[in-house]
Amino acid sequence: QVQLVESGGGVVQPGRSLRLSCAASRFTFSGYGMHWVRQAPGKGLEWVAVTSNDGSEKYYGDSVKGRFTISRDNSKNTLYLQMNSLRDEDTAVYYCARSGSYSWWYFDLWGRGTLVTVSS
Amino acid sequence: QSALTQPASVSGSPGQSITISCTGTSSDVGDFDLVSWYQHYPGKAPKLMIYEVTKRPSGVSNRFSGSKSGNTASLTISGLQAEDEADYYCCSYAGRTTLLFGGGTKLTVL
Repeated sequence: QVQLVESGGGVVQPGRSLRLSCAASRFTFSGYGMHWVRQAPGKGLEWVAVTSNDGSEKYYGDSVKGRFTISRDNSKNTLYLQMNSLRDEDTAVYYCARSGSYSWWYFDLWGRGTLVTVSS
Repeated sequence: QSALTQPASVSGSPGQSITISCTGTSSDVGDFDLVSWYQHYPGKAPKLMIYEVTKRPSGVSNRFSGSKSGNTASLTISGLQAEDEADYYCCSYAGRTTLLFGGGTKLTVL
């Protein structure tokens, strides 16, 4: 069925890097903007980043700007999040989410998330 | 930019109606008709319930409705059912290509 599946989470030390992936299936991946959203333990959701359908435009939340990079490979139907200089406060479940058909500014399909734990 | 403000919890009995508020500012909720609502069961993928303040995606029950007045958006669930017990999050475009979420509301069906 139409779905998004995240992978790449794990335990990483502060200051190190990690790359998350999100595999899309059963829809035209190249036709949609894509987001990353995260949820720290016991906290609410936080928007992380968005990329346009062709990857030419990218925007970030203030807390990750300059450290995280969103990218996509439409030939592989996959979204990525490169996370550098990780901090304790980046510990969270990371979700990928699809933009609506006509607007970037809501999410009409979500994955189940992958857990990133930043700890020494 | 601060997160949008939602009540931490609301509750209601089966069959009743409840409303969850989402308060922002004139720079986000009040300035754009781009508020969305998500239902989230812990450990599962969140689900879109309302987008662009009042629009309901195909497949979402018409018991769910959205509205906005000034800087406050609201999600109303009528005919409350046990399966509605979940966390609910609002989200608003905040200009400058930024999105803000609310802190989430835990709905308990008594």
